[in-house]
Amino acid sequence: KQEVTQIPAALSVPEGENLVLNCSFTDSAIYNLQWFRQDPGKGLTSLLLIQSSQREQTSGRLNASLDKSSGRSTLYIAASQPGDSATYLCAVENAGNMLTFGGGTRLMVKP
Amino acid sequence: NAGVTQTPKFRILKIGQSMTLQCAQDMNHNYMYWYRQDPGMGLKLIYYSVGAGITDKGEVPNGYNVSRSTTEDFPLRLELAAPSQTSVYFCASSPTSQNSYEQYFGPGTRLTVT
Repeated sequence: KQEVTQIPAALSVPEGENLVLNCSFTDSAIYNLQWFRQDPGKGLTSLLLIQSSQREQTSGRLNASLDKSSGRSTLYIAASQPGDSATYLCAVENAGNMLTFGGGTRLMVKP
Repeated sequence: NAGVTQTPKFRILKIGQSMTLQCAQDMNHNYMYWYRQDPGMGLKLIYYSVGAGITDKGEVPNGYNVSRSTTEDFPLRLELAAPSQTSVYFCASSPTSQNSYEQYFGPGTRLTVT
């Protein structure tokens, strides 16, 4: 059974810092890995999707990497802003079109 | 283009009551999903559908039922509500693709069973 773990569970940084969120998974036979953002009381917004054959994806100040063999992914946020404050979830897709989610990292960026 | 819509946004049920959570998408996606999210946790898959007339169980299906009579709609039914079903419920959809694809999420339904 796939298990996804995100560390840290919560993170508080001053504005302008570069930061890294970590995601690990136990079964490396994945189709893809997806990073989501969730604002309080809201649904999920997809940030980046990395297919199993890819090593990284970039969107603006966000960069996600994938090391399938070691079961790890990182989400790098450059020059963090207060508007980046949210919960970040990673999810992996195995066979059957099903996503397995991590518990999320709650990020607070202080002005 | 509204994307994925869910109704209601909030609901309080008494133990033993039943209700249907509605989900609709206007993107002509074949795949639809229901997840629940407990406080401070990630999402867990309840049921999913790969097309009209086809549904399958996810990780936590007990206490729920689904149907998929049209491509657009994927309602989730709770027959005998229990306190353990207090959660936030998210519906999602994704297009058919041989390659990897994103899932698009609705805003969620916050359900409390007392």
